[in-house]
Amino acid sequence: NAGVMQNPRHLVRRRGQEARLRCSPMKGHSHVYWYRQLPEEGLKFMVYLQKENIIDESGMPKERFSAEFPKEGPSILRIQQVVRGDSAAYFCASSRVDEKLFFGSGTQLSVL
Amino acid sequence: SQQGEEDPQALSIQEGENATMNCSYKTSINNLQWYRQNSGRGLVHLILIRSNEREKHSGRLRVTLDTSKKSSSLLITASRAADTASYFCATATQDGGTSYGKLTFGQGTILTVHP
Repeated sequence: NAGVMQNPRHLVRRRGQEARLRCSPMKGHSHVYWYRQLPEEGLKFMVYLQKENIIDESGMPKERFSAEFPKEGPSILRIQQVVRGDSAAYFCASSRVDEKLFFGSGTQLSVL
Repeated sequence: SQQGEEDPQALSIQEGENATMNCSYKTSINNLQWYRQNSGRGLVHLILIRSNEREKHSGRLRVTLDTSKKSSSLLITASRAADTASYFCATATQDGGTSYGKLTFGQGTILTVHP
């Protein structure tokens, strides 16, 4: 049973480009969470999704960031017109209803 | 200061010694969880303690929770070099989504266990 799969592992973008981060939850998990970790800091909640629904996006920046979890396929975190301050590790986690989170290994985004 | 602050920021011990990490938080919580993160990797869930519990054990881990002081501690007994990692506490607030998933993390304690 594969764990939470995130790709790419590392992503380099120039300022102004778009970044797409993918997350495939564990089999049987219908809840997906995205977190961001800045250097030497703890994780910060961004968004909570279920299939085809955004449940809580209170941690998402108001502009340039969006997330989806379609009926088929992985969850996508999209960052448009990236800036240097977007450089961070982005972690996805999945769970069943009201169960503990399983985290992926993260995507390290570097903005040049 | 932020919800879920760990103390100390860094801890260096010898194999076989015990390691104690503390966490403080500010708001009422549903539960508090501890996670471990190896360098450059995702987090691994270690243990969860609910707001109505005071102590919990799992193998070499012992977690305490004092809701009156809004603090928790994680004790790792008989530490091993393989325990070297960052340890984070995370709280789930009562008005969160599911009680497990929307978590507020502290900044972590970096534990180094020397062989």
